[in-house]
Amino acid sequence: DTAVSQTPKYLVTQMGNDKSIKCEQNLGHDTMYWYKQDSKKFLKIMFSYNNKELIINETVPNRFSPKSPDKAHLNLHINSLELGDSAVYFCASSRGTGLETQYFGPGTRLLVL
Amino acid sequence: DQQVKQNSPSLSVQEGRISILNCDYTNSMFDYFLWYKKYPAEGPTFLISISSIKDKNEDGRFTVFLNKSAKHLSLHIVPSQPGDSAVYFCAASLVKAAGNKLTFGGGTRVLVKP
Repeated sequence: DTAVSQTPKYLVTQMGNDKSIKCEQNLGHDTMYWYKQDSKKFLKIMFSYNNKELIINETVPNRFSPKSPDKAHLNLHINSLELGDSAVYFCASSRGTGLETQYFGPGTRLLVL
Repeated sequence: DQQVKQNSPSLSVQEGRISILNCDYTNSMFDYFLWYKKYPAEGPTFLISISSIKDKNEDGRFTVFLNKSAKHLSLHIVPSQPGDSAVYFCAASLVKAAGNKLTFGGGTRVLVKP
């Protein structure tokens, strides 16, 4: 059973489009995250939700909007996609917001043309 | 401004020998450090961690060393095995900060040759 899953795995789209990436975890965790891995391979936190409440919101363009319909899901919607949004996006979850191990999904590779 | 840096993008080592991966950080407030391992087309998986109150933590073949005064940590893998070939990310955290925010380095690709 996949602990943290993301759909789609690959996403190729045109500039200006709106797209969503979905994340689901079946670990019973309370906290979920979105990370972006850019072309330089750095993994950077974008958002974190705990029990459906936003707790970390890094300096991310407001074209990116996370939505957590329940504790097991954290989706990422991106409006007006730009070339610079091309990256691998990783979802992760952890039991809580303390020093809890974060479990990562397999990533969604987004390519904006 | 990268607060966590892994200056060696790649490392090649013979099977059975020691792999030493290095990581430097600039924020002296960081007090918890982790190493993650990543295979291609998979997400990172947690490997080992260390609190700033310790200078060494060991788990099987993996040992992490922390030198707070130098703001440096290292991961030793002994003996290295072909299955250890992966990208290794160093990460740092502030225990008292809101959330569980990890700041990652850029990764070191390790190739273990049979």
